[in-house]
Amino acid sequence: TQLLEQSPQFLSIQEGENLTVYCNSSSVFSSLQWYRQEPGEGPVLLVTVVTGGEVKKLKRLTFQFGDARKDSSLHITAAQPGDTGLYLCAGEEQTGANNLFFGTGTRLTVIP
Amino acid sequence: GAGVSQSPRYKVAKRGQDVALRCDPISGHVSLFWYQQALGQGPEFLTYFQNEAQLDKSGLPSDRFFAERPEGSVSTLKIQRTQQEDSAVYLCASSLRQGETDTQYFGPGTRLTVL
Repeated sequence: TQLLEQSPQFLSIQEGENLTVYCNSSSVFSSLQWYRQEPGEGPVLLVTVVTGGEVKKLKRLTFQFGDARKDSSLHITAAQPGDTGLYLCAGEEQTGANNLFFGTGTRLTVIP
Repeated sequence: GAGVSQSPRYKVAKRGQDVALRCDPISGHVSLFWYQQALGQGPEFLTYFQNEAQLDKSGLPSDRFFAERPEGSVSTLKIQRTQQEDSAVYLCASSLRQGETDTQYFGPGTRLTVL
């Protein structure tokens, strides 16, 4: 059962465009993580957000955790072909919980 | 340093066969996780070890799935009498410690195809 819904499921954009990916849930999470996964590889952690309303920036990527800690967004500015991949959000229901609940994923393709 | 490794990378099994998937975590990592990722989906939690102790196996889909980590390092996920619905990528992840938000490092996965 997927507790986290991501939208859009697929996104194809031109190089240089901006985009936002959403991750929504009815559950409250103590922390939320964003991963990027490339074909044939495991997910790689991009960022962890912990505090409601928190905003973190990683170069052209901006991550935000909702005030109620139920949702998050990932905004990419001036997308590049190297940003292509599967973006996954994952929530931890309580601090120190043993497992992550992953979202359904957003497959991003950036066309040169 | 070496990351998490998994073997084999690809496995094809006939329905009804038993399979064993291996995970070598990062040296010194206390926690080890197994996830199942169906095609086009996000990973789903299967089981969790802290050292050699299996503390959570709530995600194992049936009693055909069994995992062990006898010496607190290498782990094996075994699937008995494989079914077509077991076809997926099986991901292993390890983290340094337990009890707080900690980074999980994922292996490349084993792609299992059951014919």
